[in-house]
Amino acid sequence: GENVEQHPSTLSVQEGDSAVIKCTYSDSASNYFPWYKQELGKGPQLIIDIRSNVGEKKDQRIAVTLNKTAKHFSLHITETQPEDSAVYFCAASETGGFKTIFGAGTRLFVKA
Amino acid sequence: SAVISQKPSRDICQRGTSLTIQCQVDSQVTMMFWYRQQPGQSLTLIATANQGSEATYESGFVIDKFPISRPNLTFSTLTVSNMSPEDSSIYLCSVTQGAGGYTFGSGTRLTVV
Repeated sequence: GENVEQHPSTLSVQEGDSAVIKCTYSDSASNYFPWYKQELGKGPQLIIDIRSNVGEKKDQRIAVTLNKTAKHFSLHITETQPEDSAVYFCAASETGGFKTIFGAGTRLFVKA
Repeated sequence: SAVISQKPSRDICQRGTSLTIQCQVDSQVTMMFWYRQQPGQSLTLIATANQGSEATYESGFVIDKFPISRPNLTFSTLTVSNMSPEDSSIYLCSVTQGAGGYTFGSGTRLTVV
């Protein structure tokens, strides 16, 4: 069945460094790729997304890239801050998002 | 995007009992989704709830164990029935955002003892 693999499971960086989280997906019909941030004690929050007709999207310190041929997409966080510490989930779905497959999550620690 | 209020935020329950989780949305939505997040794990869809019809359950989840109500376009409940320690998880309700993706409630942290 459809699958989304996410790596690494844990990532520790120094404040100010960059963090990269990578995902691969298996369903060729997937065309919508959101990223969620889940802080301790809260529900996941959508932070950025990308659609298959775009190769890259940026919003301030976060960016997402998509290689549809290779079925890879990545989250890039630059100039990391302690408040970036959280669990990040990638996901893949078809337009409408009614069947969304989530990655296993990456626990990011940003050390001050 | 919609604002979701979910309660209770946490509970500790005895095995064999049931817990009903409530989800209130500040706007009318056609579909509401219930997810389970086991400790340290990803999100697994339990069921999709449409107003006025029975919920659609994903493989591995059954109505007898997780009955869902959807009495109107802003409210839904999920009941976890006859609980066992294996049901200890975070339960999340969500709705789709207009531009894509989900808005999630803050979750219900359930511990079964």
